[in-house]
Amino acid sequence: GAVVSQHPSWVICKSGTSVKIECRSLDFQATTMFWYRQFPKQSLMLMATSNEGSKATYEQGVEKDKFLINHASLTLSTLTVTSAHPEDSSFYICSATDLRGRTGELFFGEGSRLTVL
Amino acid sequence: KNQVEQSPQSLIILEGKNCTLQCNYTVSPFSNLRWYKQDTGRGPVSLTIMTFSENTKSNGRYTATLDADTKQSSLHITASQLSDSASYICVVSGQAGTALIFGKGTTLSVSS
Repeated sequence: GAVVSQHPSWVICKSGTSVKIECRSLDFQATTMFWYRQFPKQSLMLMATSNEGSKATYEQGVEKDKFLINHASLTLSTLTVTSAHPEDSSFYICSATDLRGRTGELFFGEGSRLTVL
Repeated sequence: KNQVEQSPQSLIILEGKNCTLQCNYTVSPFSNLRWYKQDTGRGPVSLTIMTFSENTKSNGRYTATLDADTKQSSLHITASQLSDSASYICVVSGQAGTALIFGKGTTLSVSS
């Protein structure tokens, strides 16, 4: 099946630094990618939806200037956590789909665990 | 408002027992409904995807049902195993090209 790859899978950074997480669709073109955050023992929380070549749509309460999303190609989206703080420590997951199809399958990455010290 | 409600929020069962998870939605127009399994610390993995015309679909010990009239879906797990312990997420899609609506998931714990 299709594969969505996230990198890095685990990152530790100092407070105040910025961290970039990549999400790649390896064998299909992803018209749309989604970014989620998941705190321990909680459900996935959708942060933003990004369509290739256009600005991301952020969910209510998600700061677009803090969580920069770029979806410059049909196989790559990036999430940059700017000026990270300990409360940004979380599990970040992306998913990708090709919405040009009637029943576009949705594939998830393996997630990236961010720890901000 | 498009919503997806899952129940129960959490469930504990003994190994070998069966269980059923529920997903009710108000998404309209409807395109498809997906069930995902998410192990702790991993990304979700697709179990089934069902369109409007499909009533049931199986994937091994997992069987999903869909009633598009009542806008309800269930995921039945047969002869549960310890490895079934995970979160199960229901995702509903409107017409192609529209947003995907996520349920909050059901956390299943299978104990020996």
